[in-house]
Amino acid sequence: QSALTQPPSASGSPGQSVTISCTGTSSDVGAYYYVSWYQQRPGKAPKLMIYEVKERPSGVPDRFSGSKSDNTASLTVSGLQPEDEADYYCSSYAGSNTYVFGTGTKVTV
Amino acid sequence: QLQLQESGPGLVKPSETLSLTCDVSGGSVSSSSHYWAWIRQTPGKGLEWIGTMYFSGSTYYNPSLKSRVTISVDTSKNQFSLSLSAVTAADTAIYYCARVESLAFDIWGQGTMITVSS
Repeated sequence: QSALTQPPSASGSPGQSVTISCTGTSSDVGAYYYVSWYQQRPGKAPKLMIYEVKERPSGVPDRFSGSKSDNTASLTVSGLQPEDEADYYCSSYAGSNTYVFGTGTKVTV
Repeated sequence: QLQLQESGPGLVKPSETLSLTCDVSGGSVSSSSHYWAWIRQTPGKGLEWIGTMYFSGSTYYNPSLKSRVTISVDTSKNQFSLSLSAVTAADTAIYYCARVESLAFDIWGQGTMITVSS
């Protein structure tokens, strides 16, 4: 069970868009529609931003969107705002009630 | 509004057993709709899923930790617990408890820092 691969960093100017990739295998990301994304600000617990690939929990701005193609999932943040600067982690269900997280991406605005 | 709160010793000696508890408030650990999880984050690094449990007692563990981990539930206290044996410095991390909803971790505790050191 290896960690999902994310780019270490991504950046964009306010108002721009940034897309973060999350690459797994045919046993996790490619096998299930259960990819989730988490935002983590310094010193805080992670916060769920996207579940089931593209669904947003109540209260999450629609600037955050998710997608998946084969073994790679993506999180796009449109209209970047200063408060979007944080670490972002993906996670995938990997079968048999197991989960795997991504390596994390630091987004700089 | 559901809230989770981890509690633990802060400092554990190498080779000893780490024990943590997650108190559930504003909801029930006996909910038939949810699983409950432990996740950790090593300093400066990423997140690692430790394991998941259901109130019935069913448990599922990360294969890399399975030989050392036990997750249990105490429905009378509305809490669930993590036990990690034979700890080493590599187990130094922030430990989070979380609720599982739609196979995602939708509510997290604030986390508790555990340092393994003699």
